[in-house]
Amino acid sequence: TQLLEQSPQFLSIQEGENLTVYCNSSSVFSSLQWYRQEPGEGPVLLVTVVTGGEVKKLKRLTFQFGDARKDSSLHITAAQPGDTGLYLCAGPISGGYQKVTFGTGTKLQVIP
Amino acid sequence: DAGVIQSPRHEVTEMGQEVTLRCKPISGHNSLFWYRQTMMRGLELLIYFNNNVPIDDSGMPEDRFSAKMPNASFSTLKIQPSEPRDSAVYFCASTQGGFGYTFGSGTRLTVV
Repeated sequence: TQLLEQSPQFLSIQEGENLTVYCNSSSVFSSLQWYRQEPGEGPVLLVTVVTGGEVKKLKRLTFQFGDARKDSSLHITAAQPGDTGLYLCAGPISGGYQKVTFGTGTKLQVIP
Repeated sequence: DAGVIQSPRHEVTEMGQEVTLRCKPISGHNSLFWYRQTMMRGLELLIYFNNNVPIDDSGMPEDRFSAKMPNASFSTLKIQPSEPRDSAVYFCASTQGGFGYTFGSGTRLTVV
């Protein structure tokens, strides 16, 4: 079973601080996706990383895919209250025909 | 494109009643997924369709749950009879190519 564990589970920080959240697995994934879910809404895709070692930037968000394609991280610089939400990683399941498995999620609160 | 459209946004029903949730995927997307989200279990995949054909319904919790996709632009998830433990947020998502899902805003179901 391909499982994705995310850490930390909860994070509460002050506006302006930096943070990193992690997505780890014992399995190799062909790609990983990151989503952000705001209260009352569905998850929204932020980025997909495909190549081992790949780094992608989205404004203040930096995503990295591990060299062995078993883990990924999301770093947020100078967090803002608008970054508050549930961050989910997801990876395709082998032979799953576009089916993905979602991580356990990191709930981030940025306090003004 | 208006995105994935789900209805209703909120549903409150009495135990034993039939509940039908509806989803319109993004035009051109060939895969559709139904998820359930709770605090305790996170996002759980219930069933998914590819080209309107159910591919994997192993996540459907019981025979009380059924899903249909009569055409490429419409799907339903039905619970009959509903029970309080079915209370959750139900999401529909669609994708083309599997490199990222587009989620609807969800239906918050409360069974009393």
